[in-house]
Amino acid sequence: QKEVEQNSGPLSVPEGAIASLNCTYSDRGSQSFFWYRQYSGKSPELIMFIYSNGDKEDGRFTAQLNKASQYVSLLIRDSQPSDSATYLCAVNPYSGAGSYQLTFGKGTKLSVIP
Amino acid sequence: ETGVTQTPRHLVMGMTNKKSLKCEQHLGHNAMYWYKQSAKKPLELMFVYNFKEQTENNSVPSRFSPECPNSSHLFLHLHTLQPEDSALYLCASSSKPGGGTEAFFGQGTRLTVV
Repeated sequence: QKEVEQNSGPLSVPEGAIASLNCTYSDRGSQSFFWYRQYSGKSPELIMFIYSNGDKEDGRFTAQLNKASQYVSLLIRDSQPSDSATYLCAVNPYSGAGSYQLTFGKGTKLSVIP
Repeated sequence: ETGVTQTPRHLVMGMTNKKSLKCEQHLGHNAMYWYKQSAKKPLELMFVYNFKEQTENNSVPSRFSPECPNSSHLFLHLHTLQPEDSALYLCASSSKPGGGTEAFFGQGTRLTVV
């Protein structure tokens, strides 16, 4: 059973602080990793993806991947109240053998306090 | 129009009704997906279609019947549903199933079974 684990939160950070969201996954063969943001009552929206070990930065967002530890994280710098949402970690174990399932974690609810 | 479009946005149906959810993508993607999101639960993959062929069915009850007439359209036919089937049903598409590319989601259909 492929699993993706996230702390459900809520994670509360003051405005302007760094929010750190963490995710672990069970399938060591996983190849692609995604972070989605989901506002209440809305559909998930892709904000970052990462395939290789290390850091990937995009504006205020940084994704970090450590395949040896089976760990992926998302850092949000200078957090804004508009960042308040549920953040979903998703893992794609695609191995070229026809595995199509994108497995999602339960999500971490982030609340940025003005 | 671009992106992934789902209709209707909201649906209330009785347990004896038959209804269909529609999804259309204008992204030229090859793969389409149905996900279910119940309250306080992670996204659950229901069905995957690749080039109109169903490639995954994650033990979904037969009261849910998918149909994919072409790579741009996906339907979910519903009949004799149960109250516990009330959830947000999300359609997604990607360029190739599980090929390391992200999924784009529609706005979802909020289904209530009474």
